[in-house]
Amino acid sequence: AQSVTQLDSHVSVSEGTPVLLRCNYSSSYSPSLFWYVQHPNKGLQLLLKYTSAATLVKGINGFEAEFKKSETSFHLTKPSAHMSDAAEYFCVVSDAPGGSQGNLIFGKGTKLSVKP
Amino acid sequence: GAVVSQHPSWVICKSGTSVKIECRSLDFQATTMFWYRQFPKQSLMLMATSNEGSKATYEQGVEKDKFLINHASLTLSTLTVTSAHPEDSSFYICSASDRVPDTQYFGPGTRLTVL
Repeated sequence: AQSVTQLDSHVSVSEGTPVLLRCNYSSSYSPSLFWYVQHPNKGLQLLLKYTSAATLVKGINGFEAEFKKSETSFHLTKPSAHMSDAAEYFCVVSDAPGGSQGNLIFGKGTKLSVKP
Repeated sequence: GAVVSQHPSWVICKSGTSVKIECRSLDFQATTMFWYRQFPKQSLMLMATSNEGSKATYEQGVEKDKFLINHASLTLSTLTVTSAHPEDSSFYICSASDRVPDTQYFGPGTRLTVL
């Protein structure tokens, strides 16, 4: 069975500094992995997805994530945080391969705070 | 594009009453809609999957008679919480997929509080 663990419930960074949101997954086969962001009172927005074509995935708003099979990780990074990045971030694994979305299994979320 | 709305955004009701939550795809046709539930500081948990014109498929442990799902059109699905109790208080989120079931687009969620 697939599962995903977000290692930090809350991350706080200063504006202009790097962001690292950690995610580990468990899957019985090659997984499809996603990062979603949720701003207050807004719907979940897809940041990026891993489709097995490339291990380094670039998403919107300068975010990227690297799939590391040996570490079963899919950490989300951004070189320089912006105030508008403050939100809740969810790491998600799917039970469908190839980047398609079958049933989605969500992590508990990481709240990112950005200090001026 | 690909906007999904939910109504209401929040609702407070008395124990024993029923509450209906609407999920609409505003600019695309959603052949499949999903309903999730999120408790505070918990993951989103899939409750059920519905395809337009057919009965919803419920996840294990979700009572289909308590959480009635209707997907009568390609742009609207409703979730009715029947005879609500305080333990049903939660954040309910829907998502929708278009004819190419590749991406789910999420609504903003509905906060239900049962007194």
